[in-house]
Amino acid sequence: GQNIDQPTEMTATEGAIVQINCTYQTSGFNGLFWYQQHAGEAPTFLSYNVLDGLEEKGRFSSFLSRSKGYSYLLLKELQMKDSASYLCAVNNDYKLSFGAGTTVTVRA
Amino acid sequence: IAGITQAPTSQILAAGRRMTLRCTQDMRHNAMYWYRQDLGLGLRLIHYSNTAGTTGKGEVPDGYSVSRANTDDFPLTLASAVPSQTSVYFCASSERGEGINEQFFGPGTRLTVL
Repeated sequence: GQNIDQPTEMTATEGAIVQINCTYQTSGFNGLFWYQQHAGEAPTFLSYNVLDGLEEKGRFSSFLSRSKGYSYLLLKELQMKDSASYLCAVNNDYKLSFGAGTTVTVRA
Repeated sequence: IAGITQAPTSQILAAGRRMTLRCTQDMRHNAMYWYRQDLGLGLRLIHYSNTAGTTGKGEVPDGYSVSRANTDDFPLTLASAVPSQTSVYFCASSERGEGINEQFFGPGTRLTVL
């Protein structure tokens, strides 16, 4: 079975940093994706980790520890437009298993 | 503009009726997927297709069927809709091969079964 956990909600102030954690226990692992989903819209790709360590893409960074079954997404210099749900997804042979998503609310 | 389209955008359906959700991509991706998204449960895979002519079952396939006659189209059929199939349905596609192979999602279909 697949078990992917992430916090339900987080709130942060504009300009701040937020870290969204994701822990997983899955039957297979070929990498981990993070997607962003604004309310009423489709998920869009943010980052992908297949090896341990940190991947940085502008204001967004993602970290993976395969031995711990753990990843996090770091959002820096938060902007109002970053208010969205962030979805952690484990890749197993091109099929994705998603966590329930973390809703981030950015306050002015 | 390349991407994935889904139709209809939304639909209200009586229980027991048959319904086909359409999905078309123009990126020539090998793989296509159908997910449903329910509050508190996240996205769950219904069916997938690794390449034209093949399909497979995902996490929640019961009550749904798919076909993949060509590369571009991947329709999802509810043979006899039930209220528990009320959900938002997303179609996605990806490459299979070297690289990240991220999935690209369509805009979704909001289905209500009464």
